[in-house]
Amino acid sequence: QSVLTQPPSVSGAPGQRVTISCTGSSSNIGAGYDVHWYQQLPGTVPKLLMYSNRNRPSGVPDRFSGSKSGTSASLAIAGLQAEDEADYYCQSYDSSLSGWVFGGGTKVTVL
Amino acid sequence: QVQLVESGGGVVQPGRSLRLACAASGFSFNRYGMHWVRQAPGKGLEWVAGISYDGSNEYYTDSVKGRFTISRDNSKSTLYLQMNSLRVEDTAVYYCARVLLQWELLTLGADYWGQGTLVTVSS
Repeated sequence: QSVLTQPPSVSGAPGQRVTISCTGSSSNIGAGYDVHWYQQLPGTVPKLLMYSNRNRPSGVPDRFSGSKSGTSASLAIAGLQAEDEADYYCQSYDSSLSGWVFGGGTKVTVL
Repeated sequence: QVQLVESGGGVVQPGRSLRLACAASGFSFNRYGMHWVRQAPGKGLEWVAGISYDGSNEYYTDSVKGRFTISRDNSKSTLYLQMNSLRVEDTAVYYCARVLLQWELLTLGADYWGQGTLVTVSS
């Protein structure tokens, strides 16, 4: 059971927009701690996709966007492409646990 | 360029010990907080431990407290994870990861990850 809750899977047709939610609590996201997102392509190392809620590292397409409100955060992928098929994880800091917490991961499938 | 290279994984019996290392290059290692994150086969990411840039602060997930020790040698640009009393449920690929910004540790994400080293705990 992950501290941050994500849907196990989301899917969409090429070109569509999909969103992935990440729900936390008052000791992590709700306490104001930033949310970060990682993309893990099949058989590869996790890659930082979004940091501090809505900031894209250099090289990440602007099709990816992030937001945060209250105890939740979201990652949106616009103009879905086949290369976006991957697992996506949200991550934050939890003050009760004094450490990082991850979501369980969301598998994005391009139909 | 930034590189993180883990080593030390392998097959070990329950109750035994293993020491992982992560050799860093391409950046000022002594300015960055570092973490170990693991991923069990077919499962999601799980944070294991983190250490501040100077080694003065260490943090652990509850399931490894008292069994694992994170440390670093800034003179060698190397991060370590000493794993004692290993359990079957510790089986995973272990990644070392660098915090996004200098001097930070807990509230930011990781921008560079090693390729991982597989630890298998089995009798």
